[in-house]
Amino acid sequence: EVQLVQSGVEVKKPGESLRISCKSFGYSFTSRWISWVRQMPGKGLEWMGRIDPGDSYTTYSPSFQGHITISADKSFNTAYLQWGSLRASDSAIYYCARTNSRYGLDVWGQGTTVTVSS
Amino acid sequence: DIQMTQSPSSLSASVGDRVTITCRASQTISSNLNWYQQKPEKVPKLLIYAASSSQTGVPSRFSGSGSGTDFTLTISSLQPEDFATYYCQQTYTTPYTFGQGTNLEI
Repeated sequence: EVQLVQSGVEVKKPGESLRISCKSFGYSFTSRWISWVRQMPGKGLEWMGRIDPGDSYTTYSPSFQGHITISADKSFNTAYLQWGSLRASDSAIYYCARTNSRYGLDVWGQGTTVTVSS
Repeated sequence: DIQMTQSPSSLSASVGDRVTITCRASQTISSNLNWYQQKPEKVPKLLIYAASSSQTGVPSRFSGSGSGTDFTLTISSLQPEDFATYYCQQTYTTPYTFGQGTNLEI
């Protein structure tokens, strides 16, 4: 079965760093991009960026550029989303999703809830 | 960035109704338009990709159409399980922007 399994709930303080993960199963990890999508409480979906796991080429939304880093380790079939310094406004659910420009975001992880509070 | 505008933002309907949701792109996106359904506290689910192709397992009452800048998602006969929020998204060029969502209520 094709699936993406994300890491668990995170509770952090402002200014702390964080890396969350997204592990793929059931398909060739390097055959499709992985996107990250943010959903703030009670709000809509926001596309943050994508990575090509084959060569780690990344593209970021301007709204998130400079604040996040997307990476991948094809040895572990895992993609990552990280922050160097969290803000309270980073509190949200973060989804990873398998991505293709024609086929859309067809497989989604279960989401990782991040809470940033002092 | 390409802006995606959905209408309406919210919609009240009844079981059995035919419902249409519209999505407009701020510039042409060919047919690189996808529709997602999200139920409360659940993960988004891909319904339609490439404007009109149904994802495997999606009921036939869901259909999509359009190309260029104007797109529609139609639910031919609403079922109780269809009450959810629907999002369009363009994957023509990055950033892959979403519409603001349409909340479909009973």
